[in-house]
Amino acid sequence: AQSVTQLDSQVPVFEEAPVELRCNYSSSVSVYLFWYVQYPNQGLQLLLKYLSGSTLVESINGFEAEFNKSQTSFHLRKPSVHISDTAEYFCAVSDTGGGNKLTFGTGTQLKVEL
Amino acid sequence: GAGVSQSPSNKVTEKGKDVELRCDPISGHTALYWYRQRLGQGLEFLIYFQGNSAPDKSGLPSDRFSAERTGESVSTLTIQRTQQEDSAVYLCASRGTSSGSDTQYFGPGTRLTVL
Repeated sequence: AQSVTQLDSQVPVFEEAPVELRCNYSSSVSVYLFWYVQYPNQGLQLLLKYLSGSTLVESINGFEAEFNKSQTSFHLRKPSVHISDTAEYFCAVSDTGGGNKLTFGTGTQLKVEL
Repeated sequence: GAGVSQSPSNKVTEKGKDVELRCDPISGHTALYWYRQRLGQGLEFLIYFQGNSAPDKSGLPSDRFSAERTGESVSTLTIQRTQQEDSAVYLCASRGTSSGSDTQYFGPGTRLTVL
């Protein structure tokens, strides 16, 4: 069984400030790791993912996440946020075998203010 | 359409009634998933279909919940004798199975309200 913990339910931040959204997971098997984003009144969209290889992965809109196996973490970071980044962010894991069922965290609401 | 579609977008029903939710996956995607998102909580896995294999029903919360999929196309999630705790957004996702197809693409969801 797997579990995902997102400790921060809400993160307020001013525009152009850096942000880190924390994600820790628990699993007895190898995992894939994902961050999904849900903008207001929209569906879930994949932001970035770690499958293998380089532990640092990036999205096209400036977010990055680093897989840390020893700390079982996959924190999401952005050096300078924009108003348009306001959304709910979900961390998820799946096993690397067949099925790839996702186990999600409870989400972090990022609110970017002027 | 290029994405996953779901219908209806909203459904209000009375306690005890049956409801059917529909999902149209991305064409060619052999894997299909149903998840539930209750208010203030993360998404919970419900059921998974992969081609013609027996579905993985390990996430269904009770025998009031069932789902079907016709081949590699449409899926319907049925909730019988709905209860107020069934109120949630029900999300469908599909995934291809070619090399490197590890990403699930989500539909917009069906918001179910049980009065």
